[in-house]
Amino acid sequence: AQSVTQLDSQVPVFEEAPVELRCNYSSSVSVYLFWYVQYPNQGLQLLLKYLSGSTLVESINGFEAEFNKSQTSFHLRKPSVHISDTAEYFCASIYNFNKFYFGSGTKLNVKP
Amino acid sequence: DGGITQSPKYLFRKEGQNVTLSCEQNLNHDAMYWYRQDPGQGLRLIYYSQIVNDFQKGDIAEGYSVSREKKESFPLTVTSAQKNPTAFYLCASSSTGGAGETQYFGPGTRLLVL
Repeated sequence: AQSVTQLDSQVPVFEEAPVELRCNYSSSVSVYLFWYVQYPNQGLQLLLKYLSGSTLVESINGFEAEFNKSQTSFHLRKPSVHISDTAEYFCASIYNFNKFYFGSGTKLNVKP
Repeated sequence: DGGITQSPKYLFRKEGQNVTLSCEQNLNHDAMYWYRQDPGQGLRLIYYSQIVNDFQKGDIAEGYSVSREKKESFPLTVTSAQKNPTAFYLCASSSTGGAGETQYFGPGTRLLVL
């Protein structure tokens, strides 16, 4: 069975500190991986995705994620967070055409 | 502006009542999806459609129904058979529904039971 695990339900961090949001997937086949961000009472917005090629993918707002096949991980990192990064982050994998499997989400709380 | 709209933003349902959530997209996407979001559980797929007049059940389709009569519209009906309908409902679309495609999400509808 396909699944995505986000081990941390909440991650508190001070502004300008680095952060890592963990995501592990289980898959016996080729997998595509995504990170989405959700601000309160809004839909999800794509942050970045890995389909193939370079294992390090970056977003326009400073986040990056590295696909690690041996560890079946796709952790999201940012070297210096801002207050505006406070949101819930979802890791998702896709297989069997268009079926997404979402993790349970990690709430990032950036404190001043 | 291209995008996905969902209405209403908040919806109240009385016991035994069917309610319909609207989802419209002007992205010219073939594929559309409905998800249910509960706190601490992430998103779960209810139904999806890859083409007009065709749709498939997702992981939690019981108590829900959909139609896809037009490419741009994919309404979701929460029936009285759904015993725990309180949740945040998200509609999404993608270009063709192929593997690896990005799904674009609407702003969501929060359904509450009176």
